[in-house]
Amino acid sequence: GAGVSQSPSNKVTEKGKDVELRCDPISGHTALYWYRQSLGQGLEFLIYFQGNSAPDKSGLPSDRFSAERTGGSVSTLTIQRTQQEDSAVYLCASSPGWETQYFGPGTRLLVL
Amino acid sequence: AQSVSQHNHHVILSEAASLELGCNYSYGGTVNLFWYVQYPGQHLQLLLKYFSGDPLVKGIKGFEAEFIKSKFSFNLRKPSVQWSDTAEYFCAVNGPSNTGKLIFGQGTTLQVKP
Repeated sequence: GAGVSQSPSNKVTEKGKDVELRCDPISGHTALYWYRQSLGQGLEFLIYFQGNSAPDKSGLPSDRFSAERTGGSVSTLTIQRTQQEDSAVYLCASSPGWETQYFGPGTRLLVL
Repeated sequence: AQSVSQHNHHVILSEAASLELGCNYSYGGTVNLFWYVQYPGQHLQLLLKYFSGDPLVKGIKGFEAEFIKSKFSFNLRKPSVQWSDTAEYFCAVNGPSNTGKLIFGQGTTLQVKP
């Protein structure tokens, strides 16, 4: 079956621009997660959506980062006024509950 | 705060050698433990997981891990590695309250020489 998909696969942007990253979770999965994978920082949790509950935003590094999940399915991670330190691979995962998470291929973001 | 520590950052082995990758976590309550693998050019995949029960868990491709609560450890093992096991391995913990949020270790890059 279809796995988690993310778009774009690669994004190059200039410092100060806004970017939107999209995640399509596995159909029927109620939980959706965003992580960031960068050199020197490893894999960091960013935000977590579970059903209709308020999202857990405890991992967002600054108020330039935000995410939404529309209709309990697709999610968009927005980074405003990008900085060079935002360069990383942004990973999305989904799960049917709180158990095993299934990861997408990631979006590689490069901020020049 | 929870943390996960992987002691080996880069491991180089010859084919048929035995593998053990260390993982320790800091949280003292109930945890769920995972090993994920990322093969070159591919996305993260679940290798194995421990939720409860038998502390020796078996995963895909001949991997296994042992949960030792007293040592806060969840080491990954494989008796005989293959060149195709070359990948990056991540240990992760989920807890408390089953929030779903995974805390990852820094990862271990395994290179298997043919």
